Amino acid sequence: NAGVTQTPKFQVLKTGQSMTLQCAQDMNHNSMYWYRQDPGMGLRLIYYSASEGTTDKGEVPNGYNVSRLNKREFSLRLESAAPSQTSVYFCASSRSGGENSPLHFGNGTRLTVT
Amino acid sequence: GDSVTQMEGPVTLSEEAFLTINCTYTATGYPSLFWYVQYPGEGLQLLLKATKADDKGSNKGFEATYRKETTSFHLEKGSVQVSDSAVYFCALRPGYKLSFGAGTTVTVRA
Repeated sequence: NAGVTQTPKFQVLKTGQSMTLQCAQDMNHNSMYWYRQDPGMGLRLIYYSASEGTTDKGEVPNGYNVSRLNKREFSLRLESAAPSQTSVYFCASSRSGGENSPLHFGNGTRLTVT
Repeated sequence: GDSVTQMEGPVTLSEEAFLTINCTYTATGYPSLFWYVQYPGEGLQLLLKATKADDKGSNKGFEATYRKETTSFHLEKGSVQVSDSAVYFCALRPGYKLSFGAGTTVTVRA
């Protein structure tokens, strides 16, 4: 049972380059999320998708775009990477957006922007 | 907005010691409260949760009680093991958004 799979695991970009982080879940979950983790700041929500066909901004959406490709896949795109986007990115999913539905996380993508 | 504050680390303990990690929250309603754990090189895993006041969540020897009067959800374990070394995150969820504390790094020495 793979759960939430993120690719790539590591990436180095130069300032101004673009890239897409991929995420897929095999648990038939409705809701998916993208978080970034920075030292001393916990995890901050970038974007989420409550259900297939919908996306909404989280706390820190600037500089990012997302696509809910289908029920399984939710991608995060950096159009023009900046050093401030150096972080560890986590994708997560949950059965629903309700309070009692726990999030399941992938193992993360470590991104460095030089 | 809704938020959580947890004690800063790092915390270093000897095996079999008692562990407490403090977490307090600010919320307009009555959100569900969670503790997540992150082992090195991995994503976060749900450790335990509580959905209403006075609920006690428990898992793997860890416990936390949802205290409305003190707006707290402190994590405790009576006897830690080396395998409990990880980063622990307190979180609350009033709706879609799951808001995390900054995380507390715990290291248990043999």
